[in-house]
Amino acid sequence: EAGVTQSPTHLIKTRGQQATLRCSPISGHTSVYWYQQALGLGLQFLLWYDEGEERNRGNFPPRFSGRQFPNYSSELNVNALELEDSALYLCASSLGKLSAQYFGPGTRLTVL
Amino acid sequence: EDQVTQSPEALRLQEGESSSLNCSYTVSGLRGLFWYRQDPGKGPEFLFTLYSAGEEKEKERLKATLTKKESFLHITAPKPEDSATYLCAGNAGNNRKLIWGLGTSLAVNP
Repeated sequence: EAGVTQSPTHLIKTRGQQATLRCSPISGHTSVYWYQQALGLGLQFLLWYDEGEERNRGNFPPRFSGRQFPNYSSELNVNALELEDSALYLCASSLGKLSAQYFGPGTRLTVL
Repeated sequence: EDQVTQSPEALRLQEGESSSLNCSYTVSGLRGLFWYRQDPGKGPEFLFTLYSAGEEKEKERLKATLTKKESFLHITAPKPEDSATYLCAGNAGNNRKLIWGLGTSLAVNP
């Protein structure tokens, strides 16, 4: 069974640009979660999508947004990039209530 | 406020030296306690889910246990390949938002 996939692996942008990160969940999983992990810091919850709807949002500004498509894949958009947005962005998916989240390999975003 | 605290922050062991990692939680209406392993620059790898006090789960050299206030990850006779950061997280109920600890960085020396 294929795991969670994310693209691109690495992304380099300059301040003020926009970044788009993509995630494909495990087949059959309907929930997708996005996390930010800055170097040396813990996982910070960004967004949760389920059945195409945004269900919960972490303490991040509105320039962090996303969506979930009918096939349950998801994308995360970060507008007006700032230097402190440089981090590993992780996507996870889960099946059903109370189920474990399974993570992808992450996208390393570097803002110059 | 829901919180998960892991200790120690870092642990260095000799190969074969068993030890335990601690995860204390104050999560109202806990609906599951999760353990993950994370290697540098990679996504966390799911290890265990525990749902009720007294529950235990094992996988190779790892055993996770749960009480009403904390969870332990016991590592028996660790090997260098067990070196990683171990994360725990509590499920805070119906909104399925996980409350994450900051992790324990484990280094096992050969």
